[in-house]
Amino acid sequence: DGGITQSPKYLFRKEGQNVTLSCEQNLNHDAMYWYRQDPGQGLRLIYYSQIVNDFQKGDIAEGYSVSREKKESFPLTVTSAQKNPTAFYLCASSIGNRFNSPLHFGNGTRLTVT
Amino acid sequence: AQKITQTQPGMFVQEKEAVTLDCTYDTSDPSYGLFWYKQPSSGEMIFLIYQGSYDQQNATEGRYSLNFQKARKSANLVISASQLGDSAMYFCAMRERDNSKLTFGKGITLSVRP
Repeated sequence: DGGITQSPKYLFRKEGQNVTLSCEQNLNHDAMYWYRQDPGQGLRLIYYSQIVNDFQKGDIAEGYSVSREKKESFPLTVTSAQKNPTAFYLCASSIGNRFNSPLHFGNGTRLTVT
Repeated sequence: AQKITQTQPGMFVQEKEAVTLDCTYDTSDPSYGLFWYKQPSSGEMIFLIYQGSYDQQNATEGRYSLNFQKARKSANLVISASQLGDSAMYFCAMRERDNSKLTFGKGITLSVRP
């Protein structure tokens, strides 16, 4: 079955540590995205990538970094510079970046930093 | 200015009845797509329905339909014959032609009563 896999589901880290969230897709989608969700809030875009080896900052990119070395993979690193990293992180992909292409989401990673 | 506005407080509906979830949007781009997603308590984002700005008819997908009023910039989701499994958060989102990002509203919580 095609889909988007995010791992792990729950992640705990100490303050000051960098942490990398995994996102893999086998849908053959060109575009991939990372969103952050805080309790009771909508989703906010962190980074997105339309093709391999290229990515753009979203609305809240500070304190985060990404790479896109393979079409299937778009890992997100939450660095120690991110002031409030505790959140629910969702990865998504779409066939292209046209306005009629829906995003398909993974099941998310819940990150807790103490 | 907010691009997607969902202002309803938590919504309640009796099982088997219909419910309308409101969404208004703001854009100057003539080409855009509107999407509704469902987020159960488990966290995954499930794509429900899409409406394009040039579509002449309201979109329908099973029990979901979209009441699209372009002049009023509203795209309300109608769920018919509510089921207990419909209890979740519902997000309206928009994607513009000139912007590959998918922008979300803050969501509406729907609770279905038996």
